Amino acid sequence: GAVVSQHPSWVICKSGTSVKIECRSLDFQATTMFWYRQFPKQSLMLMATSNEGSKATYEQGVEKDKFLINHASLTLSTLTVTSAHPEDSSFYICSATERDHPYEQYFGPGTRLTVT
Amino acid sequence: QKEVEQNSGPLSVPEGAIASLNCTYSDRGSQSFFWYRQYSGKSPELIMFIYSNGDKEDGRFTAQLNKASQYVSLLIRDSQPSDSATYLCAVRRITFGKGTKLSVIP
Repeated sequence: GAVVSQHPSWVICKSGTSVKIECRSLDFQATTMFWYRQFPKQSLMLMATSNEGSKATYEQGVEKDKFLINHASLTLSTLTVTSAHPEDSSFYICSATERDHPYEQYFGPGTRLTVT
Repeated sequence: QKEVEQNSGPLSVPEGAIASLNCTYSDRGSQSFFWYRQYSGKSPELIMFIYSNGDKEDGRFTAQLNKASQYVSLLIRDSQPSDSATYLCAVRRITFGKGTKLSVIP
């Protein structure tokens, strides 16, 4: 149980275009979703946290108008990278927790974004 | 600035030995601490979380927390080659250390 999927697993886009990444909890209700970014050979950086039906809370330094996060249902959250640039190329990872077990955290497999 | 420090390693231990991974944090008010394992090229997975002083055991893994010393550690008993990975320490799932690379030598 407790599976989180991400789509796409990898994407290449041109500079200036937008990319949407989907994160789904397949067998549980994800009351909280976390979006992380990881550059090569670096650690995870939390971008934002979202609760179902609420606006996402962005970490300091993360542009909310550039990284649009929507958590419209208990099984789906999306991250849209708007007007992507090469410096946005990274490994984007979502994770989720459920209400009854808030410390258990389930990760999606990640999405590798390359902006050319 | 809130920081989490880990020895980057690599830490090499023989198969069957105990691997000890350490982490210190700067925010004295931190309440929850997490250890993750990340294989190369993969997303992380949660190994353990701890929020009370003392030890917490789960199978071959033991997390130890000392809030007075602002120190959290992860012990892996009977280390296996499959434990070879990078281990990330995090405070509140927000601030991460740079990770310690563990190699278990058969």
